[in-house]
Amino acid sequence: DQQVKQNSPSLSVQEGRISILNCDYTNSMFDYFLWYKKYPAEGPTFLISISSIKDKNEDGRFTVFLNKSAKHLSLHIVPSQPGDSAVYFCAASLTHSGGGADGLTFGKGTHLIIQP
Amino acid sequence: DAGVTQSPTHLIKTRGQQVTLRCSPKSGHDTVSWYQQALGQGPQFIFQYYEEEERQRGNFPDRFSGHQFPNYSSELNVNALLLGDSALYLCASSLVGGNEKLFFGSGTQLSVL
Repeated sequence: DQQVKQNSPSLSVQEGRISILNCDYTNSMFDYFLWYKKYPAEGPTFLISISSIKDKNEDGRFTVFLNKSAKHLSLHIVPSQPGDSAVYFCAASLTHSGGGADGLTFGKGTHLIIQP
Repeated sequence: DAGVTQSPTHLIKTRGQQVTLRCSPKSGHDTVSWYQQALGQGPQFIFQYYEEEERQRGNFPDRFSGHQFPNYSSELNVNALLLGDSALYLCASSLVGGNEKLFFGSGTQLSVL
């Protein structure tokens, strides 16, 4: 029973264009959502987060959108750069802090490839 | 400022053996969580330690146990290893009750033969 789903295992985008990564969740109790980025041989690195009381959060080239009614969130990267090539994980939490005792529930990840 | 450090980086064991993985949290963090990442999957929550006690556990059997020391470092122990325990084991640290995001180490790659 996968509560956080990333249905695209991989995504290829041309450098300079917009990358859109999608994530769906099933548990309506999730109230905090995070995106992590992972390079090979490294641990996941926090990228951006959003609370369930918001529908958008922006940080530089990264914007996360949350649609609670659809239980869907997306990560937009504009413009995409070669260094953005990595695996991106969507994660959800039952507590606002994201570090709550219940831990994070991760999706399977989307491998983003930025082509020159 | 040292981040989360894990040891060893790689480990090979045989079925039935026991293994201990170690983690030192990021400076200033007091909470350690452990995750298992199987090939092609996202990290899966094993358990979290705070004040030397297990606060919560994910859907993992009792073969998985842990410990947190007074200096906040932590160990993950797995007994009676199965082939399916082969995975990347990630340690993450955070501050309890704060708005800190989890900081992950690079992980320990465990192979069970």
